[in-house]
Amino acid sequence: KAGVTQTPRYLIKTRGQQVTLSCSPISGHRSVSWYQQTPGQGLQFLFEYFSETQRNKGNFPGRFSGRQFSNSRSEMNVSTLELGDSALYLCASSLPPLRDRGNEQFFGPGTRLTVL
Amino acid sequence: QKEVEQNSGPLSVPEGAIASLNCTYSDRVSQSFFWYRQYSGKSPELIMSIYSNGDKEDGRFTAQLNKASQYVSLLIRDSQPSDSATYLCAVNKVKAAGNKLTFGGGTRVLVKP
Repeated sequence: KAGVTQTPRYLIKTRGQQVTLSCSPISGHRSVSWYQQTPGQGLQFLFEYFSETQRNKGNFPGRFSGRQFSNSRSEMNVSTLELGDSALYLCASSLPPLRDRGNEQFFGPGTRLTVL
Repeated sequence: QKEVEQNSGPLSVPEGAIASLNCTYSDRVSQSFFWYRQYSGKSPELIMSIYSNGDKEDGRFTAQLNKASQYVSLLIRDSQPSDSATYLCAVNKVKAAGNKLTFGGGTRVLVKP
């Protein structure tokens, strides 16, 4: 089974621009979560989508947004880029959570965004 | 207090020895616990999941969970140089709908030949 794929793998943008990142989950996985990883803050949850609906959101400003399509593919968008947005953006897919526990999440290779 | 805490290391382990990694979490409603391995420049790779108190073994890895003490650990037996990586503890508070992982800062492990 193919893993989670993310495109592009690398991006260089300048302050003020916007960026869109794409994620294709493992076949059969309908939950997609996005995380930001930086050396200073570690891995932080951005948001989760399931059945085209945002189900959870982390503590990030409104410049960070996302969406999910009917085929479970997801995109995240960052507008008005700031230097501090430079990070590795990771997408993870999973089956829906079970009744009494969350489910295993599998990460894609990530998109490394550099903001100049 | 951070929600999920790990010693940042580095944890230096001789080849063939047991590496012991610890993780504590603050929220008692946490129900799902995961260990990820992350090599430098790569994305996290799931190596263990544990949901009930006690031990869970998978190959050279053993995860241990103690919900009363809010503590989860990972043992790596017969450590190999290829085990040198950062190990991330992650917790899912399932009472909140959905899959939302909170990560610790990671423990860097160095296995010396």
